[in-house]
Amino acid sequence: DSGVTQTPKHLITATGQRVTLRCSPRSGDLSVYWYQQSLDQGLQFLIQYYNGEERAKGNILERFSAQQFPDLHSELNLSSLELGDSALYFCASSVTPSGGSYNEQFFGPGTRLTVL
Amino acid sequence: GNSVTQMEGPVTLSEEAFLTINCTYTATGYPSLFWYVQYPGEGLQLLLKATKADDKGSNKGFEATYRKETTSFHLEKGSVQVSDSAVYFCALSPLNTGNQFYFGTGTSLTVIP
Repeated sequence: DSGVTQTPKHLITATGQRVTLRCSPRSGDLSVYWYQQSLDQGLQFLIQYYNGEERAKGNILERFSAQQFPDLHSELNLSSLELGDSALYFCASSVTPSGGSYNEQFFGPGTRLTVL
Repeated sequence: GNSVTQMEGPVTLSEEAFLTINCTYTATGYPSLFWYVQYPGEGLQLLLKATKADDKGSNKGFEATYRKETTSFHLEKGSVQVSDSAVYFCALSPLNTGNQFYFGTGTSLTVIP
């Protein structure tokens, strides 16, 4: 158990809909990362937050957005869903927002999104 | 730019065989290097890491050495077990950046009794 929690575990929805994925980082971790894992794209970094502020953006679509709240939990919002958005979405957290000696990321169990 | 190239899978080995999964990287500066493991139906778990050249990371019988001269971080284990069946990801985190991780494509390992 990494200490990172994600809800829900599974989500099934229809095209055009909007969903929200939730992540709680490990106790003490200020930085949160979102990743998308699909069979054809592998593990893709989406976005990073540090202490409530967006820190880095990766391959995140405009239909997707995220935020980190004062209690440090984070939500990933996916809208106008398409079939191709079906994937595993992982959240990770780390102590520091930057590279360095204690920068390993701890991953949650993921949310499996199926868009029908 | 930053990138990780991993050995293509899948890899199938018999129990007690020697494992090597190759990983090479391209990075600006001196990154930290990681191996993560993903067991079926689970999230990624940190297996080992190395933060500077010639460092050796080790855990659960797995080892990897940070080789700056060959920009490599190959994963090895002397005697694999059925329970090692999983997908292994090599990753790098460039120093002095936002700790964005760059992952390889993953290598699936199946160990048969």
